[in-house]
Amino acid sequence: QSALTQPPSVSGSPGQAVTISCTGTSSDVGSYDRVSWYQQPPGTAPKLIIYEVTNRPSGVPDRFSGSKSGDTASLTISGLQAEDEADYYCSSYTSTATLVFGGGTKLTVL
Amino acid sequence: QVQLQESGPRLVRPSETLSLTCTVSGYSISSGFFWSWIRQPPGKGLEWIGSASHTGSAFYTPSLKSRVTISMDTSKKQFFLRLNSVTAADTAVYYCAREWRGDCFDNWGQGTPVTVSS
Repeated sequence: QSALTQPPSVSGSPGQAVTISCTGTSSDVGSYDRVSWYQQPPGTAPKLIIYEVTNRPSGVPDRFSGSKSGDTASLTISGLQAEDEADYYCSSYTSTATLVFGGGTKLTVL
Repeated sequence: QVQLQESGPRLVRPSETLSLTCTVSGYSISSGFFWSWIRQPPGKGLEWIGSASHTGSAFYTPSLKSRVTISMDTSKKQFFLRLNSVTAADTAVYYCAREWRGDCFDNWGQGTPVTVSS
């Protein structure tokens, strides 16, 4: 199985909104509403911030939101803050009952 | 509060077997959920290795399936990763995690670095 496709990097200024895309295929993202997103600051373990496309775990600010259209899922971070600077990864359930991650996107807050 | 902690050798020789342990506290691994291993090579992205449950069910990523086994000891609240015939490409930080709702990971260990080198 191939990794999901994410842009290597995105950037934005404090207060702005940024969107990170995650493109898969009809065997994963396109067929299941089972996409999750993780935030990984440098040197730390990943943290779940979105599950099943649009849902936020308890404690995750509502500045983080998720969506999906066809084979592409997206994570939007609004009201960008300096503390949001991190690597972001998407993940999807697949038709072979496995899980696959995206290659990761580095978010820089200017 | 669920907590996970990885442990095991930090250096493994090429062609040998990588063995790691994840100790879980705050939740009984025999009560449900799948328990997973995920790795991250230096400077690279995350790779799901596989997940297993106390019932004996296990799922592995296709590229590693022939070399990997995930097992559990519910009495010790631990689960294990064994990866055979390692090469330098297996050098990574290895994380254990709880698979939640069958499709995401809601609790992670801090990760343990493993280097494959002679």
